[in-house]
Amino acid sequence: DQQVKQNSPSLSVQEGRISILNCDYTNSMFDYFLWYKKYPAEGPTFLISISSIKDKNEDGRFTVFLNKSAKHLSLHIVPSQPGDSAVYFCAANFGNEKLTFGTGTRLTIIP
Amino acid sequence: DAGVIQSPRHEVTEMGQEVTLRCKPISGHDYLFWYRQTMMRGLELLIYFNNNVPIDDSGMPEDRFSAKMPNASFSTLKIQPSEPRDSAVYFCASSLPEDYGYTFGSGTRLTVV
Repeated sequence: DQQVKQNSPSLSVQEGRISILNCDYTNSMFDYFLWYKKYPAEGPTFLISISSIKDKNEDGRFTVFLNKSAKHLSLHIVPSQPGDSAVYFCAANFGNEKLTFGTGTRLTIIP
Repeated sequence: DAGVIQSPRHEVTEMGQEVTLRCKPISGHDYLFWYRQTMMRGLELLIYFNNNVPIDDSGMPEDRFSAKMPNASFSTLKIQPSEPRDSAVYFCASSLPEDYGYTFGSGTRLTVV
């Protein structure tokens, strides 16, 4: 049972435009959400997070939005740059130390 | 700090052989996690340790899989006997208490032929 779902395996975006990556979850107990970025042959690296008490968190070009009623979060990258090409994983947690990850979305930025 | 160190980076083995993956967490990190990445399931948690004690091994797929953490600076994930369906990238990660930003190693790509 996939509790964290990323329904788009891949996404292509023109350089300079906005990239929007989506994530849905089924467990209403999740109270903390994160995005990780992964380059080939490297481990995932933490990108940005959001607590369930917020609906938006911003860090430079990256913004995460949380819609608790829809059990949906999204990552916006503006403007998109070639170095943003990577696989992005959504992850969620509730109260303990165990993160549940999604299947990932491969983002390709087209120059 | 050198980060989380995993070895080997690549492992090719024949079906039925024993495979041992190794991980050195970041010094001072109390939590250690073993994840497996596949196309179908993404990153799935196999087992995690707190202060060298296994806390949750519900993600370990079968009895063929075992993990140990004999001390704070070393952990192993063993598969015996290995099968082709075990082929995947295995990641180790470590973190401080209540730190959701895990630090991952570079992974071990396992191929069982």
